[in-house]
Amino acid sequence: DAMVIQNPRYQVTQFGKPVTLSCSQTLNHNVMYWYQQKSSQAPKLLFHYYDKDFNNEADTPDNFQSRRPNTSFCFLDIRSPGLGDAAMYLCATSRGESGYNEQFFGPGTRLTVL
Amino acid sequence: AQRVTQPEKLLSVFKGAPVELKCNYSYSGSPELFWYVQYSRQRLQLLLRHISRESIKGFTADLNKGETSFHLKKPFAQEEDSAMYYCALNAGGTSYGKLTFGQGTILTVHP
Repeated sequence: DAMVIQNPRYQVTQFGKPVTLSCSQTLNHNVMYWYQQKSSQAPKLLFHYYDKDFNNEADTPDNFQSRRPNTSFCFLDIRSPGLGDAAMYLCATSRGESGYNEQFFGPGTRLTVL
Repeated sequence: AQRVTQPEKLLSVFKGAPVELKCNYSYSGSPELFWYVQYSRQRLQLLLRHISRESIKGFTADLNKGETSFHLKKPFAQEEDSAMYYCALNAGGTSYGKLTFGQGTILTVHP
């Protein structure tokens, strides 16, 4: 089945230790998104790629970076995780065509910062 | 800036009862509204979108621009409808979606 895959499902890191979360998709979608979802809160968009074009949300901290080396993969890098960065991180994709704005979500990676 | 409000964090009904999950939005342009659902231990997935005007799993939602609402309704709730429901808005301006989510409503349908 075509889908969005996130690895790992659970990630534990130490305060200040860089961490990378990964997302891959078999849908061949143009757009890939990263959301942060803290406990009991709505998913919050961090940034997205349309093909290779990177689009950062205005309030996304500089501590968060992303890479998309090809259509299938997208990475979320947290350079110096703080305790406040503990959250569920969701990857999503969409076709990127007008009228096809449905987003397909991965299962998420739950990040714990010790 | 766009905003989505789901006033009920928790909603409980009995099986067979009607259910309505409220969603209000603020956006100055012409929005595209969605309902996403997350069942226990499953990923977030699209339930329905306003432009389709369809019924999915017995749920319907009508966009009311006058009241800026997009409430989700089902006449007879089932236990399997128990889940977290998010209302989301695509503010447009691009050919693809950048979603703003509401806080979510946890629906529990009791037997």
